[in-house]
Amino acid sequence: GESVGLHLPTLSVQEGDNSIINCAYSNSASDYFIWYKQESGKGPQFIIDIRSNMDKRQGQRVTVLLNKTVKHLSLQIAATQPGDSAVYFCAAWSFNDYKLSFGAGTTVTVRA
Amino acid sequence: DSGVTQTPKHLITATGQRVTLRCSPRSGDLSVYWYQQSLDQGLQFLIQYYNGEERAKGNILERFSAQQFPDLHSELNLSSLELGDSALYFCASSVASGAEETQYFGPGTRLLVL
Repeated sequence: GESVGLHLPTLSVQEGDNSIINCAYSNSASDYFIWYKQESGKGPQFIIDIRSNMDKRQGQRVTVLLNKTVKHLSLQIAATQPGDSAVYFCAAWSFNDYKLSFGAGTTVTVRA
Repeated sequence: DSGVTQTPKHLITATGQRVTLRCSPRSGDLSVYWYQQSLDQGLQFLIQYYNGEERAKGNILERFSAQQFPDLHSELNLSSLELGDSALYFCASSVASGAEETQYFGPGTRLLVL
């Protein structure tokens, strides 16, 4: 099965700085990757996704980078704001077992 | 607000009991997914239904079962509850069942087994 893990459980960022959250996955057959944001007391919320045939995708203030060679993806948040404080999960979809596997989550805290 | 609703929001019960969690997907979504989130295990995929049929199975215990009804709402049944079943249970929905379907999560049901 797929194993998905985040490199750091917590990240403290100064407001206005850029944040980088890293994630590693184990299954080279994973085809599709998603980043979710979970605020306290709420369900995960979709942020951005990327297919395995891409290495970069940009959204509004967020960029996801995928390095299939080392099975690593990252989420970059530009000009981090207090509202970005949350737990961030990466998830990988595997067609082998047709399910979405989530990493453990990185808690991002934005300092004013 | 994702459009996915879950009831109840909180549930406190005793070991050995049985509970039913309910999920209503977003309007138009045919797929429903159930996840368990505990402190030590993170988000674990349990099971997926698509248009009433079981589509994929994850780490779901035999004591747990689910179904999706003709109106597309879904129920997750947890029986012979143990202390370790205490967790947040999330339901998510998507339009179809493919890999690149964005899953929209509900607010979750917090289950506490005493």
